[in-house]
Amino acid sequence: QVQLAESGGGVVQPGRSLRLSCPAPFSTHGMHWVRQAPGKGLEWVAVISFDGSNKYYLDSVKGRFTISRDNSKNTLYLQMNSLRPEDTAVYYCAKARTSSGYVAAFDYWGQGILVTVSS
Amino acid sequence: EIVVTQSPDTLSVSPGERATLSCRASQSVGTNLAWYQQKPGQAPRLLIYGAFTRATGIPARFSGGGSGTEFTLTISSLQPEDFVFYYCQQYDNHWTFGQGTKVEIK
Repeated sequence: QVQLAESGGGVVQPGRSLRLSCPAPFSTHGMHWVRQAPGKGLEWVAVISFDGSNKYYLDSVKGRFTISRDNSKNTLYLQMNSLRPEDTAVYYCAKARTSSGYVAAFDYWGQGILVTVSS
Repeated sequence: EIVVTQSPDTLSVSPGERATLSCRASQSVGTNLAWYQQKPGQAPRLLIYGAFTRATGIPARFSGGGSGTEFTLTISSLQPEDFVFYYCQQYDNHWTFGQGTKVEIK
């Protein structure tokens, strides 16, 4: 069973930035970020194709979050700018079952990393 | 956006009994639907994809069914470790999750 361990989370003030990282030894598959606010359900955030050429975002994070990947380092990233209190959540990276990341369930998940946005 | 609704929010079942969870999509997603299990403090785990295909290593007591807008997850004989949260997800048009069903011991 592949274990993914996100890093880069923590407590940050509103308006500030954080960058999450996730080891992603899946250079032929799309990758996603999914978040879960405390005590709430799952919310999809962003997707990137296997080669980084296609990306798509949840409307509420468009223009603030950027998903990227470096396949030479087997790493997925989520750059989060202009953070808001409502972005507080556990963030998971997840592997798609297809190369594009589209029309696919998520078969491997990271353990999750907590991001808290608070003054 | 496709809205996904699960029912019930909480399902009370005795160990060894059968549990049936429901998931409804606001428009047809074909069979592009998955089910995940989430234990407290852990990441979700893929149980079912393509509406009825079990993921690798998932016990046979878990089965999925349905197509279009109506789907079910059936757990044939509940084991102690099955009393946790379950989420369905449509991935036909981007990705949306249901609000989750908690399976609790009756």
